[in-house]
Amino acid sequence: GENVEQHPSTLSVQEGDSAVIKCTYSDSASNYFPWYKQELGKGPQLIIDIRSNVGEKKDQRIAVTLNKTAKHFSLHITETQPEDSAVYFCASLYGQNFVFGPGTRLSVLP
Amino acid sequence: DSGVTQTPKHLITATGQRVTLRCSPRSGDLSVYWYQQSLDQGLQFLIQYYNGEERAKGNILERFSAQQFPDLHSELNLSSLELGDSALYFCASSAGTVNYGYTFGSGTRLTVV
Repeated sequence: GENVEQHPSTLSVQEGDSAVIKCTYSDSASNYFPWYKQELGKGPQLIIDIRSNVGEKKDQRIAVTLNKTAKHFSLHITETQPEDSAVYFCASLYGQNFVFGPGTRLSVLP
Repeated sequence: DSGVTQTPKHLITATGQRVTLRCSPRSGDLSVYWYQQSLDQGLQFLIQYYNGEERAKGNILERFSAQQFPDLHSELNLSSLELGDSALYFCASSAGTVNYGYTFGSGTRLTVV
């Protein structure tokens, strides 16, 4: 079955710096990759996604890149703000359901 | 508010007991998914229902069962509870059988003592 790895598990950045989280997946048939943000006490919230026919997608300060050959995709957050502090999960659509990475705890230090 | 409603928010119960978690999907969504989130396991898919029928099964224990009712709300039943069942249980919904982007509820925190 599909396996999704995510690195790093924790990440601390200074406010205003960029943050990058990387995920790798194992099944080349996977074709959709969303990213979720989970704040304390809340459920995961979809923040950006990418399909396999696209190499990059941007939404304001957030971008996702996909390398299908290498089977990895990354989340890029620029000009980080304290409210970006949360746990971020990547996921891969495997069959009809998602396989999630283990999560990255991002801390943005003022 | 995501539109997916889960009750109760918190639940504390003893080992060996049985509990029922409830989920109301976002208006118009026909699929409901249940996930377990524990510290050492991340988000684990349990089961999916679509329009009242079981659609997919993940790592769901035999002690756990679920159903989706005609009004599309879903219940997850956990029985013979063990300490290791303590976790956050999330429900998510989507419009179809596969949707590009779930909407998650805020979860039920289950503590088994």
